Amino acid sequence: DAGVIQSPRHEVTEMGQEVTLRCKPISGHDYLFWYRQTMMRGLELLIYFNNNVPIDDSGMPEDRFSAKMPNASFSTLKIQPSEPRDSAVYFCASSWDIANTEAFFGQGTRLTVV
Amino acid sequence: GENVEQHPSTLSVQEGDSAVIKCTYSDSASNYFPWYKQELGKRPQLIIDIRSNVGEKKDQRIAVTLNKTAKHFSLHITETQPEDSAVYFCASLGQDNYGQNFVFGPGTRLSVLP
Repeated sequence: DAGVIQSPRHEVTEMGQEVTLRCKPISGHDYLFWYRQTMMRGLELLIYFNNNVPIDDSGMPEDRFSAKMPNASFSTLKIQPSEPRDSAVYFCASSWDIANTEAFFGQGTRLTVV
Repeated sequence: GENVEQHPSTLSVQEGDSAVIKCTYSDSASNYFPWYKQELGKRPQLIIDIRSNVGEKKDQRIAVTLNKTAKHFSLHITETQPEDSAVYFCASLGQDNYGQNFVFGPGTRLSVLP
């Protein structure tokens, strides 16, 4: 397995534009997590899914953020409209279960909103 | 919900010396504590973890100790090498209104000086 795959690796967009980040979890993993990493706030959990169902989205900062997982092998995180303060590295991670197992991280998407 | 604190935020040691990073957590029901290492520009990767039924775990130069009574756990790196330079994150699997989820500490930037 190639691990968790995220795309794009880098995204530069203008304020107000829609941004879509993509993630392919490791096959067989039932949990998928979206994290945002910034210097100021560290690693923040935005949302996680179990068997494609959103379980906890309390970390999603605003209504501008939305996430979907239409099937077990694909998830998206969308920001519409984007703002400069959304600039961060967004990580997707997946795991077999949420308790007592490692979460494998993707390589991240570095988003810059200008 | 769970709150994880981590100290120090930065740590510089001479090559060959030991490094210790400490974390505290608030949720007494937390039962799984992983440590992640993130090298510059790369994804977080698990280096060691500990479950609540043990007090210490060791893997070569890395060890983790857990004190459930005091609700703190520590990462110990012995005989440090330049390649140990990275940001280290502790995490706790806590419980909130939605169920279990990981909460990460703010990270410790370790620099090993040759």
